[in-house]
Amino acid sequence: AQSVTQLGSHVSVSEGALVLLRCNYSSSVPPYLFWYVQYPNQGLQLLLKYTSAATLVKGINGFEAEFKKSETSFHLTKPSAHMSDAAEYFCAVSGASYDKVIFGPGTSLSVIP
Amino acid sequence: GAGVSQSPRYKVAKRGQDVALRCDPISGHVSLFWYQQALGQGPEFLTYFQNEAQLDKSGLPSDRFFAERPEGSVSTLKIQRTQQEDSAVYLCASSPPSSGGETDTQYFGPGTRLTVL
Repeated sequence: AQSVTQLGSHVSVSEGALVLLRCNYSSSVPPYLFWYVQYPNQGLQLLLKYTSAATLVKGINGFEAEFKKSETSFHLTKPSAHMSDAAEYFCAVSGASYDKVIFGPGTSLSVIP
Repeated sequence: GAGVSQSPRYKVAKRGQDVALRCDPISGHVSLFWYQQALGQGPEFLTYFQNEAQLDKSGLPSDRFFAERPEGSVSTLKIQRTQQEDSAVYLCASSPPSSGGETDTQYFGPGTRLTVL
């Protein structure tokens, strides 16, 4: 069985500051890990995914995440926040190809000008 | 190219009514998933199709929920005798045929927001 926890339901950062959104997972099999972003009244957009290749994954819009097996973590970072980054972010896990994706509860990111 | 589309975008139903939600996946995508997203929560898996075959329906909350994909493309999620607790955004996602054994990205539609009064 898989599960995802996201520490902090709401995170606020200043424009230009580091963004760090935390994700920890639980999986009985080698996981596939994802970060999705959701803007108001829109569907989910994939930011990046980990599929057992490089542990540091680079995604769109300057985001990246590092898979740390020993910590069962997959935290999302961006060096410099932009106003357009304000959205809901979901960490997710699946166990195999063609498997259902289990989502975390989400973290709402606010960017303060 | 065209993404996943869903219709209607918004649906208001009276308790006890039946509703049908439509999903048009990306052309050529083999897999199709339905998720339910309650307000302020992450999406939760409902059911999965590979072509026309429904391979996993473990997430459907009750026998009032029914999904079909008869020709392996468009899918319909039907909810019978709607209840207030059915109010949520229903998301559809599709993914292409697997390549190299890696898991495939699921592309999400904008969702249908269902409100049951």
